[in-house]
Amino acid sequence: DIQMTQSPSSLSASVGDRVTITCRASQSISTYLNWYQHKVGKAPKLLIYAASTKQSGAPSRFSGSGSGTDFTLTISSLQPEDFATYYCQQSYDLPVTFGQGTRLEIK
Amino acid sequence: QITLKESGPTLVKPTETLTLTCTFSGFSLTAPGAGMGWIRQPPGKALEWLAVIYWDDDKRYSPSLNPRLTITKDTSENQVVLTMTNMDPADTGTYYCAHRRDAYDILTNYFDYWGQGTLVTVSS
Repeated sequence: DIQMTQSPSSLSASVGDRVTITCRASQSISTYLNWYQHKVGKAPKLLIYAASTKQSGAPSRFSGSGSGTDFTLTISSLQPEDFATYYCQQSYDLPVTFGQGTRLEIK
Repeated sequence: QITLKESGPTLVKPTETLTLTCTFSGFSLTAPGAGMGWIRQPPGKALEWLAVIYWDDDKRYSPSLNPRLTITKDTSENQVVLTMTNMDPADTGTYYCAHRRDAYDILTNYFDYWGQGTLVTVSS
């Protein structure tokens, strides 16, 4: 199985901050990397697919980059509604695997 | 638009079999490239993929849970059913069904629409 490791596990930031979350795969996955936002009690929401393509409806402040084994999700200017847990997921091979999540909290 | 909704028991006893149903609308699971998956989240833990079923009835399962899982589809009812046998308290969590982004390559699985999830508690 391909292991996905996110860092940090949790992060405190303020509204307006620029935030970067990283995800590392245990082997090269090209750009088969996706990012989800998950709020408590809500359905996870696909933000970014294929490493850098924004899903329809995702705000422009979200961006993704990377290829191979190292990827990043960047939020350019944090908004109050962005406080949530973020997961990366590889779609290079089965089984589907997720990172352990990064919890983004208000400072 | 695509909608999905999970249904099933909220409480099951250890060793029992869990049956969850996902009722969907807005797409056809018979269209080439279509698929649906199940993902769960134990309390305080990360998302965990369980299974996926494809338009051609191919199915794939999490290796660690494979012997306990069965996924089926009923295209006439627009439903996908997941059964998990021999339930254990460690299986407690929120179970989500999700629409797989259309792709002919069955190895390319990511999920663009999700249900709200259903909380399943395993306890005697």
